[in-house]
Amino acid sequence: DGGITQSPKYLFRKEGQNVTLSCEQNLNHDAMYWYRQDPGQGLRLIYYSQIVNDFQKGDIAEGYSVSREKKESFPLTVTSAQKNPTAFYLCASSGQTGAISYNEQFFGPGTRLTVL
Amino acid sequence: AQSVTQLDSQVPVFEEAPVELRCNYSSSVSVYLFWYVQYPNQGLQLLLKYLSGSTLVESINGFEAEFNKSQTSFHLRKPSVHISDTAEYFCAVTSTGFQKLVFGTGTRLLVSP
Repeated sequence: DGGITQSPKYLFRKEGQNVTLSCEQNLNHDAMYWYRQDPGQGLRLIYYSQIVNDFQKGDIAEGYSVSREKKESFPLTVTSAQKNPTAFYLCASSGQTGAISYNEQFFGPGTRLTVL
Repeated sequence: AQSVTQLDSQVPVFEEAPVELRCNYSSSVSVYLFWYVQYPNQGLQLLLKYLSGSTLVESINGFEAEFNKSQTSFHLRKPSVHISDTAEYFCAVTSTGFQKLVFGTGTRLLVSP
């Protein structure tokens, strides 16, 4: 059964702690993405990766870090530098975007992070 | 830069009534357009997409959207909604070779009996 898994579904963290959100895909997709969702603001791109060992900052990368050591995995670390980390985090993946084509982004079920 | 505007944050409607969720986009290049649906505490699911060809696209559950280049719009419509259509709907845009999807702020569709 192909898809994207995110864990955990709910995560609680104390202020000042780093926390890592997991994202795994078995779709053999090249590209992976992390989005943050806040009520009334839609989805905002944090980081994305087009290929293993390479990634780019999105629109709101400050206070976050990522790694892409394996094609199927793209973990997101929310650091203590992120001033307002409480949000719903969504991971997505897609086939490699070409010059004349577009590949659909598939989304995971999300992780809800709450800072206490 | 690309942007998407969803003018209505919430649309209440009665069951079996028609509905239109509005989406306008801004882009200087050719675009691909999408509607995603999100049920509470879940990820996004692709509802329908416009890549090229016919400007009217349909989903398997009765939704349709029409790409209107002159009005830069991609409104989502359904002639008769069900209670189960209650969800949040996001419009998104990207373009050829562009990796990033740009999302609107979402429209919450509330269907009541």
